[in-house]
This record gives sequence, C-alpha cells and structure tokens, in this order.
Amino acid sequence: GAGVSQSPSNKVTEKGKDVELRCDPISGHTALYWYRQRLGQGLEFLIYFQGNSAPDKSGLPSDRFSAERTGESVSTLTIQRTQQEDSAVYLCASSLMGSPNTEAFFGQGTRLTVV
Amino acid sequence: GENVEQHPSTLSVQEGDSAVIKCTYSDSASNYFPWYKQELGKRPQLIIDIRSNVGEKKDQRIAVTLNKTAKHFSLHITETQPEDSAVYFCAPAGGSGDKLTFGTGTRLAVRP
Repeated sequence: GAGVSQSPSNKVTEKGKDVELRCDPISGHTALYWYRQRLGQGLEFLIYFQGNSAPDKSGLPSDRFSAERTGESVSTLTIQRTQQEDSAVYLCASSLMGSPNTEAFFGQGTRLTVV
Repeated sequence: GENVEQHPSTLSVQEGDSAVIKCTYSDSASNYFPWYKQELGKRPQLIIDIRSNVGEKKDQRIAVTLNKTAKHFSLHITETQPEDSAVYFCAPAGGSGDKLTFGTGTRLAVRP
C-alpha cells in the first residue's frame, strides 16, 4: 500500500467489551509503533516492534493492553475489558530503521469511544 | 530510556513573526533529531530532521539547529502563517534499532 493503514477508523464499544485494532505498516518497514492520543494531548507511547527483536512493551498502561505483530507485517492492538478512560485515538506508525532516513509514517488512527 | 522535554508547551505569535521551539533530550547517544507537525484532526508528519554530523539545516521557512554538547535542538519558523498553526513534536533517537521518543508537544497558534 501507499501508506500506513489502520482499521477501523472509528470504534464505539460498551464498557467491559474487548476491542481489536489493526495496523498495516508500509511494506518493508521493520519498525512499528503504537501510540495513544487523548483529546488535546500528546503522543503516549504504548509498544514498539523492531524486526525479530523482543517488543518494547514498556508503555502499555495495564495488562488489559496487548499487541502482536506477525513478522514485519500486520500488527493488532487488543484492549480487554475496555474502560471509559481508554477512549482516545490510537495511532500506529512504521519506519525503516537502520537506514539513513528513520522517518516514522503514521496511519490515520482509530478513534475509540467507550460508552 | 530517553527523557525528552519541549518548551514552551504553548506559543502564540502574530502572523509574520518568528517562532522557536526547543527540545531537550537526555541520551548522549542520540544522533537523529526530527520535528513532526500535527494539524488539528490529522496525523503527525515529519517536517524537518537533522543528523548529528551537522549543526543546522534549513528548508524554506523552517530550520532546525542542534547543540549536541548541551543536548538540545530547536525548530525555527520564520514569517509565520496561519497554516503553521499546529502541534509540533520533537522525537530524538539514537543508533540503529533505537525507537523514536516523542516530546510532549508544543501548540503553536499564529494570529492573523
């Protein structure tokens, strides 16, 4: 694809339900990031995948959050037993680490609303 | 891990004036220094970056300067225009394989 693609664009879910967010990075990009952005706030780091290395999960706020990545392709972010404070835009980004240009390309985000 | 701070957190300037945003980082191994712009409701996008082997880079109205000794780099916008209104993030990074760590962001408002 031409860029990073995220789905769904919008998700409304009831408190207590599980949700799964998907990210398709740019083909060939070895690095993939997930961020959470609350309204009017900055980019809160969640998790980082780099090639075959163990993911950096240091930003996950609780054990309700988990993420997986298959090789250097699709990643899914799962939030279990959603809470109202999980409402935010979840942004995915990918980059070609180890090259002279390590620009991160962002997807359009998934707006999650927990009601 | 990298500690990144941005100042100021908000900045309001008159159209045509200059704006400067400073980013301070902690990891002396950092060697890549980008700035991202996020317009309202849109995704962040890279606007300019610099590597540690140069002290300054300019692209039309925007420039980035780097002081590796003091561990900070700055974004300079000259002749500001209303379309420069956005949130700006710095994201210093170290060697190969090191992740980007985003600053807390600076909200710039350009008054017409």
